[in-house]
Amino acid sequence: QVQLVESGGGVVQPGGSLRLSCAASGFTFSNYGMNWVRQAPGRGLEWVAFIRYEGSNQYYADSVRGRFTISRDNSRNTLYLQMNSLRDEDTAVYYCAKVLGKMATMGLVDYWGQGTLVTVSS
Amino acid sequence: EFVLTQSPGTLSLSPGERATLSCRASHSYSSNYLAWYQQKPGQAPSLLIFAASSRATGIPDRFNGSGSGTDFTLTITRLEPEDFAVYYCQQYGPSPMYTFGQGTKLEIK
Repeated sequence: QVQLVESGGGVVQPGGSLRLSCAASGFTFSNYGMNWVRQAPGRGLEWVAFIRYEGSNQYYADSVRGRFTISRDNSRNTLYLQMNSLRDEDTAVYYCAKVLGKMATMGLVDYWGQGTLVTVSS
Repeated sequence: EFVLTQSPGTLSLSPGERATLSCRASHSYSSNYLAWYQQKPGQAPSLLIFAASSRATGIPDRFNGSGSGTDFTLTITRLEPEDFAVYYCQQYGPSPMYTFGQGTKLEIK
């Protein structure tokens, strides 16, 4: 079955950096686009970033563009999110999320990880 | 800026009743790219509806999506106890800005 396991969350000071990872299994990772979606404590969902199945294109929410970088290693079945210049408002649970539809470019998610908490605080 | 506005913010109903949740887009776009998700406390969201009206795999037929243009609706006929949760709509294409609505909390009356 599809499994997505995030890691790398933790507490970081404002202005700091963190890299999240998502280990994927149970499907052919290299055939599917992937998203990161976050949820601040007690708040709604916010789409963060998307990467195409082969890694050729990446899209970002305005709130993170220029600070976050989504990437993937299809040989390791792993998705990444490099987060730089972190701000208080980046505090959230970050979900790794698989796109429904082989080779599709879109934000529709059929499987989610359990999430990893990032706390930005001094 | 593309915005999805959900209403009401909170909906209080009893099991067996019918729930109607609304999602309004700030401007019209292809309804082929509208989804609904359910999220229960402490869990990741799960996909209910995509392409405005297609049920995801394993979703009971009491969940129905409809709408086009700027107005979309999720209807849950005959609420079951496990349906009380937060529901989000999402625009997932074609523009690469995959916006979520702010959510509707469906609570037991």
